[in-house]
Parts: sequence; C-alpha cells; structure tokens
Amino acid sequence: GENVEQHPSTLSVQEGDSAVIKCTYSDSASNYFPWYKQELGKRPQLIIDIRSNVGEKKDQRIAVTLNKTAKHFSLHITETQPEDSAVYFCAAYEITGGGNKLTFGTGTQLKVEL
Amino acid sequence: KAGVTQTPRYLIKTRGQQVTLSCSPISGHRSVSWYQQTPGQGLQFLFEYFSETQRNKGNFPGRFSGRQFSNSRSEMNVSTLELGDSALYLCASSLGSTGELFFGEGSRLTVL
Repeated sequence: GENVEQHPSTLSVQEGDSAVIKCTYSDSASNYFPWYKQELGKRPQLIIDIRSNVGEKKDQRIAVTLNKTAKHFSLHITETQPEDSAVYFCAAYEITGGGNKLTFGTGTQLKVEL
Repeated sequence: KAGVTQTPRYLIKTRGQQVTLSCSPISGHRSVSWYQQTPGQGLQFLFEYFSETQRNKGNFPGRFSGRQFSNSRSEMNVSTLELGDSALYLCASSLGSTGELFFGEGSRLTVL
C-alpha cells in the first residue's frame, strides 16, 4: 500500500518568513495530493490540492509543488501569519480500484512566532 | 448546507466494552470514510463506504467494523475495547473518488 512520509514534524518560523513542508510517497500510481490544515481542537480542512498532471499550483500565499519522478511534493507558505499556526497534513490518494483511500503523513506542527 | 455531523463528541468506556459512533455526511455525499487520529500517528485510514458498500479497508483488526445506511449515514463499531483504542475518530464525506474530504468534528474516545 501507499506510504507517505512527512518532514519536519515541527517547524517554528518568525512572522513574515516562509515555511516549507515536504512529503514523499511510495506508490507511483497515486495521482491526487491534498494538504489539510488542522487548528487546535478543530477538524482538518483542505487548503490546497494538486493532481499528477500539473507540477505546481498556487493560491494566494500557499503553493504546492509536485515532482512525480522523485515522488515528492511540498507545501510552501509565504509571508506567514500567526493564524497559519496549526498542524498540516499531506496526503496521497491510493489507487485501489475505486473509492477514497487517502493515506496521510504524520503531520507538521507549524508555529508562527511574533 | 449542514456539515458532517458526528455523535457522540466525547465518550469514556472501559476495557472490554464496545462502542458505536455515528456519522451523518453532507447532504448528497455518498462516500463516507473513517480515520483514527492519535498523537504522533497522524490520521490512520479505517474504512470507506459508498452506497452501503465497503470499498476500502485499512489495516485495523476485525474489532473495528462499520456500515452505511441507505441515507448515507454511517456507523463504526469497536468491540472489546483496548486502552490503545483511545483516539479521536474522524468521519469524512465526499462527493467522488478523488474529491475533497469534508471532516466532522470527531468523536473522542477514552478507554480506561
């Protein structure tokens, strides 16, 4: 099955700096890679996703890049703000013959310091 | 449009007991997935249902089971509870196979 590794597990940045979270996946057939943000005590929510037919996607201060050859994808947050502090999860969609089976990374605790 | 609703939100059980958790998906969503969240382990996939059929199953023992009803509501059951089953159980619904997952607030289970 799919295996997703995520690094770093914790990340502390100064407000205004950039943050980068990296993930690798094992199944070359995976074709959908979402990122979820989970604030303390709240549910995970999708912030951006990318499909295997594109290499980069951007949404305001957030961008995701995908390197299919190397089987890794990254989340980039620019001009970080205190409200960006949360746990971020990457995920890869595993092709199983149908259905949703997202395999998640173990999460990155991002702390944006003033 | 109402979001994904999970009940109960919190519950405490003792070892050996069983528990049933409920999930009502967003109206129109036919896919319901369940995840176990524990510190350091992230979100572990339990199973996914679509139109009352289990389409995928994660690597959990047979004590973990689920079902989906004709109205897309889903339940998961854990029998013979163990201390290690203490976790936040998240339900998520989706329109399609690779679409966005919409998570509920979760059911936090504590096993004593």
